Amino acid sequence: SYVLTQPPSVSVAPGETATITCGGNNIGSKSVQWLQQRPGQAPMLVIYYNSDRPSGIPARLSGSNSGNTATLTINKVEAGDEADYYCHVWDSASDHRVFGGGTKLTVL
Amino acid sequence: QVRLVQSGTEVKRPGSSVRVSCTASGSTSRSMAMNWVRQAPGQGLEWMGGITPVFGVPQYAQEFQGRLTITADEFTTSVSMELRSLRSQDTAIYYCVRDEYCRSSDCYNVLGGYWGQGTQVTVAS
Repeated sequence: SYVLTQPPSVSVAPGETATITCGGNNIGSKSVQWLQQRPGQAPMLVIYYNSDRPSGIPARLSGSNSGNTATLTINKVEAGDEADYYCHVWDSASDHRVFGGGTKLTVL
Repeated sequence: QVRLVQSGTEVKRPGSSVRVSCTASGSTSRSMAMNWVRQAPGQGLEWMGGITPVFGVPQYAQEFQGRLTITADEFTTSVSMELRSLRSQDTAIYYCVRDEYCRSSDCYNVLGGYWGQGTQVTVAS
């Protein structure tokens, strides 16, 4: 089955840039979604089709995808960005959905 | 605005079954997949299975084959999931997820586009 690998945690100071990676075999050929889950809340879509933002998601959040790594970048990190972030793809070989293990973003 | 509303909290005994339902409003398309995702306490997201109502054929993650049934109402945007032979490890929040994102009046097939509020299922003796 297709596996997505994320770092368990990323820490960054307010105002700095956070980079969260999602590794997968030839993930660059897939469409990657990113979900944000704040404590006690349901996950929420923040990036779709690798780099598109839903309405209401600030431009500080951006996504890219190439080769074996997809990346979520959060510029000028704020306290409100503290959350768990998950990458999410469809694996055509199995016709199943797959989630990364999640990355906890801590704002120092 | 698409909204998913799930049924309420469940407490079950080991060995029993649980049924959780989900109804989508704001979008009537039956060609968008509806999925079930669970999250055990302190853990990540786990895809369980899904169904595209217009086709009616469910798919299940290997881990849940034989124990999970996902159904879609023939005429509405409601889906349900039934998990049988419950064990304590099934204690989790269960989410209904619609693979769609709508911007203004245009809707697109997008994984994880909309999520229900979650249903807490607790399995305990």
